[in-house]
Amino acid sequence: GESVGLHLPTLSVQEGDNSIINCAYSNSASDYFIWYKQESGKGPQFIIDIRSNMDKRQGQRVTVLLNKTVKHLSLQIAATQPGDSAVYFCAVTKGGSYIPTFGRGTSLIVHP
Amino acid sequence: DAMVIQNPRYQVTQFGKPVTLSCSQTLNHNVMYWYQQKSSQAPKLLFHYYDKDFNNEADTPDNFQSRRPNTSFCFLDIRSPGLGDAAMYLCATSREFGSAEAFFGQGTRLTVV
Repeated sequence: GESVGLHLPTLSVQEGDNSIINCAYSNSASDYFIWYKQESGKGPQFIIDIRSNMDKRQGQRVTVLLNKTVKHLSLQIAATQPGDSAVYFCAVTKGGSYIPTFGRGTSLIVHP
Repeated sequence: DAMVIQNPRYQVTQFGKPVTLSCSQTLNHNVMYWYQQKSSQAPKLLFHYYDKDFNNEADTPDNFQSRRPNTSFCFLDIRSPGLGDAAMYLCATSREFGSAEAFFGQGTRLTVV
C-alpha cells in the first residue's frame, strides 16, 4: 500500500529565512502530488501541486521539487513569514486509485 | 466566499446519541469526501462519492454512514458516537478524482461527552 511520511514533525525558522519541508512516498506509481497548509482550527488549504511528468513547479514564494528516483518531494517557502506558521501536509495520488493519501504533517513555526 | 461549507463548526453530542454533520458545496464538483482528523494526525479518508456512487474505505467503521441527496449536499451520520470518535471532520470536494486539487471546508469539531 501507499505510505507517505514527512521527515520532521516540527520545523522552526526565523522570519525571512527559507523553509524546506520534505516528504517521502513509497509507491513508484504515484503520479500526482499536492501540498496543503492547515492552520489551527481550519481545513487544509491547497498550496501547490505537481504531476509526475515534472520535477519542479513554482508558485508565489513556494516551489515544489519532485525526485521520482528516490520518491521524494519537497516544499520550499521563500522568505518565510509569521503567517506561514501552520501544519503542512503532502498528499500523494496514484492513477487508478485517485484517492490522495496524506502524510503525517510537519508543523512549521516561524519566529519573528 | 466559502465554497465548501460545513455545519456546525462545533458539535457536542452525548455518548451513543446519533449525530449528523453536514456539508454543502457551491462548486458543482463531482467528488465529495469525508475525512476524520484527530489531533496532530493527518486527515484519514472515511468515504467518498463520485456523483451518487458511494465508496467506503475498508477500515471505516460501520458506525459511520453517509448520504448525498444531490450534488451540493453531503451528510455524515454517526449512529452511536463513542469517545474515540471525537475529532475534526473535514468535508472536501474535487472536480475529478486525483487529478484536481481538493477544496476543504473549515471542518466540524465533534466532542463526545
